[in-house]
Amino acid sequence: QKEVEQNSGPLSVPEGAIASLNCTYSDRVSQSFFWYRQYSGKSPELIMSIYSNGDKEDGRFTAQLNKASQYVSLLIRDSQPSDSATYLCAVKREYGNKLVFGAGTILRVKS
Amino acid sequence: DTEVTQTPKHLVMGMTNKKSLKCEQHMGHRAMYWYKQKAKKPPELMFVYSYEKLSINESVPSRFSPECPNSSLLNLHLHALQPEDSALYLCASSQGWTGGREKLFFGSGTQLSVL
Repeated sequence: QKEVEQNSGPLSVPEGAIASLNCTYSDRVSQSFFWYRQYSGKSPELIMSIYSNGDKEDGRFTAQLNKASQYVSLLIRDSQPSDSATYLCAVKREYGNKLVFGAGTILRVKS
Repeated sequence: DTEVTQTPKHLVMGMTNKKSLKCEQHMGHRAMYWYKQKAKKPPELMFVYSYEKLSINESVPSRFSPECPNSSLLNLHLHALQPEDSALYLCASSQGWTGGREKLFFGSGTQLSVL
């Protein structure tokens, strides 16, 4: 079982719709969760972090965490063509410096 | 300023060459990382330096040699690489706490091609 799992996609949504990206993780001691956006040929860019159960909102982005189900998600409201990218879920234990990435979900927003 | 600077942006080298990748940050971060990313794959951790000491080596072949001369600089020395080592090499930094909540910020990467 992979440590961090994501559906590779592509996930296609029309412009203006809500995009929902999901991630599950296997290590119960994981404490910190991050979403990175990566455009083709570019480096990962941090867009959200979440540490406690529940929702965290930042602009058009909402991260959701459920530690009991070992599940983290990212919602993108009012999706724009510029949101088309690969979204990487990353997980970190409480101690140590190791950040483990999922394989990423390709998002395509069609105008 | 959340900038991590990597040089060069592109590098082509032969299998007998020796080259170095450089990374610099001026955010006062005390942890620095090397990741390797193959096309259409996630970044894979190679090395972590914490307070200028190597804290994680993910069983990387010895043809990759990291160096952290000071808290702002990180190098990756390359020698006798193989074509399968061609990838995007990413440097990242974070504040250096081990409490888990710190965020990693990535540089723009070095696209390496080994011929």
